[in-house]
Amino acid sequence: DGGITQSPKYLFRKEGQNVTLSCEQNLNHDAMYWYRQDPGQGLRLIYYSQIVNDFQKGDIAEGYSVSREKKESFPLTVTSAQKNPTAFYLCASSIRGISTDTQYFGPGTRLTVL
Amino acid sequence: DAKTTQPNSMESNEEEPVHLPCNHSTISGTDYIHWYRQLPSQGPEYVIHGLTSNVNNRMASLAIAEDRKSSTLILHRATLRDAAVYYCILRDGTREYGNKLVFGAGTILRVKS
Repeated sequence: DGGITQSPKYLFRKEGQNVTLSCEQNLNHDAMYWYRQDPGQGLRLIYYSQIVNDFQKGDIAEGYSVSREKKESFPLTVTSAQKNPTAFYLCASSIRGISTDTQYFGPGTRLTVL
Repeated sequence: DAKTTQPNSMESNEEEPVHLPCNHSTISGTDYIHWYRQLPSQGPEYVIHGLTSNVNNRMASLAIAEDRKSSTLILHRATLRDAAVYYCILRDGTREYGNKLVFGAGTILRVKS
């Protein structure tokens, strides 16, 4: 089955530690995205990538980093510089990246920093 | 990005139609109206989108007002599986790249059995 996988589903880390969230897609999509969702709120864009080896900051990129070495993978690192990292993180992809493309989302990773 | 306004919550009975409204009075001529929904503890999923004409697909129908300042997502027969947060989102059709989905708070739909 084609789709987006995110792992792990739940992640616990101590304050001050970097942590990397995985996102893999087998849809052959060019564009990939990372969003953050806080309780009771909508999603906010962290980073996006239109093609391999290229990515752009979204609205709330501070304290996060990404890489796009392969078309199917777009890992997100939450660094110790992120002041409030506890949140629900969602990865998405779309065929290209134009505004009318449907975005397909993964199941999400719930990160809790203790 | 033009903004949308949705009711905080709505309730429906199972097997009955549901009409979810969305106001977007500042919509531009090139903005598409998209709907996504998010089930509890899951990622959002695409429901439907349109520009000017009403649209139908297997999940829902989208009715767009003639002046495009409002739209309504119609679930023809609500089931318990339709209980979710529904987001109405405007997307600029002229923007090539860097398109993001701007999520508001959405409408929480509760379905009663």
